[in-house]
Amino acid sequence: AQKITQTQPGMFVQEKEAVTLDCTYDTSDQSYGLFWYKQPSSGEMIFLIYQGSYDEQNATEGRYSLNFQKARKSANLVISASQLGDSAMYFCAMRLLYNFNKFYFGSGTKLNVKP
Amino acid sequence: EAGVAQSPRYKIIEKRQSVAFWCNPISGHATLYWYQQILGQGPKLLIQFQNNGVVDDSQLPKDRFSAERLKGVDSTLKIQPAKLEDSAVYLCASSLVVEKLFFGSGTQLSVL
Repeated sequence: AQKITQTQPGMFVQEKEAVTLDCTYDTSDQSYGLFWYKQPSSGEMIFLIYQGSYDEQNATEGRYSLNFQKARKSANLVISASQLGDSAMYFCAMRLLYNFNKFYFGSGTKLNVKP
Repeated sequence: EAGVAQSPRYKIIEKRQSVAFWCNPISGHATLYWYQQILGQGPKLLIQFQNNGVVDDSQLPKDRFSAERLKGVDSTLKIQPAKLEDSAVYLCASSLVVEKLFFGSGTQLSVL
């Protein structure tokens, strides 16, 4: 069965510091994509970053980077220089490219950035 | 480019009543997903359509929930009769084959 695990229900980080949000996944498929979404209190789902299973380099998007360790099946999100506006729920997700594009989400991590 | 449209934005009903949610995906997106998100939890997939066919409805409570996607475009999700535990945000999302999901603003349902 496909599964996404986020073990940190909540985290605090000081403004301007870096923070890592953990995500592990479980699939027997070889072709998949890993995503991170941000959900602020307004409820919208905001796409942050994507990593393909065959990508050799870690993805980066501005202050966001994805630490992809395929052998360990982990896809941790690193946010550098945290800002107050980064306070939100963060969801890790996995897409199975050759399994009807099924898309699974983890349970999320609530990040609070302290001034 | 227009985003994923959902309506209504909010809905309050009493238990045992029925309710329907509507979603219009981004034009050209073949895949449409309905998710249920209970407060403080991650989105749970209810049903996935590819064009107008159902790909996955394994977590859809079929005794009370139903969904259809007319002509492979917009979609309706219905609950009949509603239970207290159905209180949640219902998110619709669409995508092209290998892209990220684009989400609508969601429908917040309160069952009293």
